[in-house]
Amino acid sequence: NAGVTQTPKFQVLKTGQSMTLQCAQDMNHNSMYWYRQDPGMGLRLIYYSASEGTTDKGEVPNGYNVSRLNKREFSLRLESAAPSQTSVYFCASSMLTGTGAPEQYFGPGTRLTVT
Amino acid sequence: QQPVQSPQAVILREGEDAVINCSSSKALYSVHWYRQKHGEAPVFLMILLKGGEQKGHEKISASFNEKKQQSSLYLTASQLSYSGTYFCGTEDNQFYFGTGTSLTVIP
Repeated sequence: NAGVTQTPKFQVLKTGQSMTLQCAQDMNHNSMYWYRQDPGMGLRLIYYSASEGTTDKGEVPNGYNVSRLNKREFSLRLESAAPSQTSVYFCASSMLTGTGAPEQYFGPGTRLTVT
Repeated sequence: QQPVQSPQAVILREGEDAVINCSSSKALYSVHWYRQKHGEAPVFLMILLKGGEQKGHEKISASFNEKKQQSSLYLTASQLSYSGTYFCGTEDNQFYFGTGTSLTVIP
């Protein structure tokens, strides 16, 4: 089992360019998440998908869109990248979401720089 | 809604003990603890549910006091491999990670 995989590992964008970060999990998990991690800010939730076919905004959704393509895949799109979106992006999955949800499994991360 | 952790950073010598605290302004139903080594993804350590139970993971254990809306992570007889940043996580419709505590264990 690969667990949670993310592509690409690194990306440099110019301001205004668009891109999609891909995430896939092979653990048959229902819930998937996208986080960004900035120095001194910890991990902040961008969007999550409690189950296939549903998506919800997290703490910092502005400037992002997501697609839960199927149970395995959850993509994050930046339509018009801004320098403030320079960050490390982590995808995660868990069997469930909500109160008492079990542990989350994280992908290796995507380091994005917007110049 | 982001839980606040203290201390922000701690340096220990091998064999010393440490406590990391996590406080929330909202009622807690469960608390997760994760560890992230430099340049890597966070890894789950343990989850605590309502009831004040203390759970263990080798020499790392945690307690949860839902009345005080607090959780504490206890690291005893620290090892070099314990170095990393520790995050607590709480749920309130969505998941929130804490501000993080950087722990460095030196020989």
